[in-house]
Amino acid sequence: NAGVMQNPRHLVRRRGQEARLRCSPMKGHSHVYWYRQLPEEGLKFMVYLQKENIIDESGMPKERFSAEFPKEGPSILRIQQVVRGDSAAYFCASSPRLGGGSGTTDTQYFGPGTRLTVL
Amino acid sequence: RKEVEQDPGPFNVPEGATVAFNCTYSNSASQSFFWYRQDCRKEPKLLMSVYSSGNEDGRFTAQLNRASQYISLLIRDSKLSDSATYLCVVKNTGGFKTIFGAGTRLFVKA
Repeated sequence: NAGVMQNPRHLVRRRGQEARLRCSPMKGHSHVYWYRQLPEEGLKFMVYLQKENIIDESGMPKERFSAEFPKEGPSILRIQQVVRGDSAAYFCASSPRLGGGSGTTDTQYFGPGTRLTVL
Repeated sequence: RKEVEQDPGPFNVPEGATVAFNCTYSNSASQSFFWYRQDCRKEPKLLMSVYSSGNEDGRFTAQLNRASQYISLLIRDSKLSDSATYLCVVKNTGGFKTIFGAGTRLFVKA
């Protein structure tokens, strides 16, 4: 049973380019979270999606960042016109059920992350 | 005030020691609580969920005090492999946003 998969694992972009990060959830999971972790800091929630729906994007910057989770294929986090401050590790997590409840059935399982470096 | 605050650490302990981490949260409506561990440059991995009655998993014990909005993690008989950053995680009622503390770094030395 494959875990959460993310690719690429490392991504280098120059300022002004676009970055696309992909996340494939665990088999049977239809809910995806994206987080950003700056060096020496904790994880910051960005967005929570289910198939074809954005449920909570309260942690997403208002500009340049977007996320989607299409009916088919992986979830995509897209960063347009990257700046040096976007350099970070981006983690994706999946859960088997709607995340608004309590208890362990909405436990999140993390992928290995994508390390984005903006030159 | 941060929504989730943890002891900053680092904690440097010898093998076999008992070590305790504390975490406080600001939103009294918080509903779900977890401890994750994160190894250097790796993804967070679930260590255990935290229940109101307290729960134990081998050498690890987690406690929740809703009145004080306080969560703790106790590690007994520390092993070298316990060296990692421990993340306190809180999820609020009716919402989907998951809030991670900044983490407490633990170094267990031989």
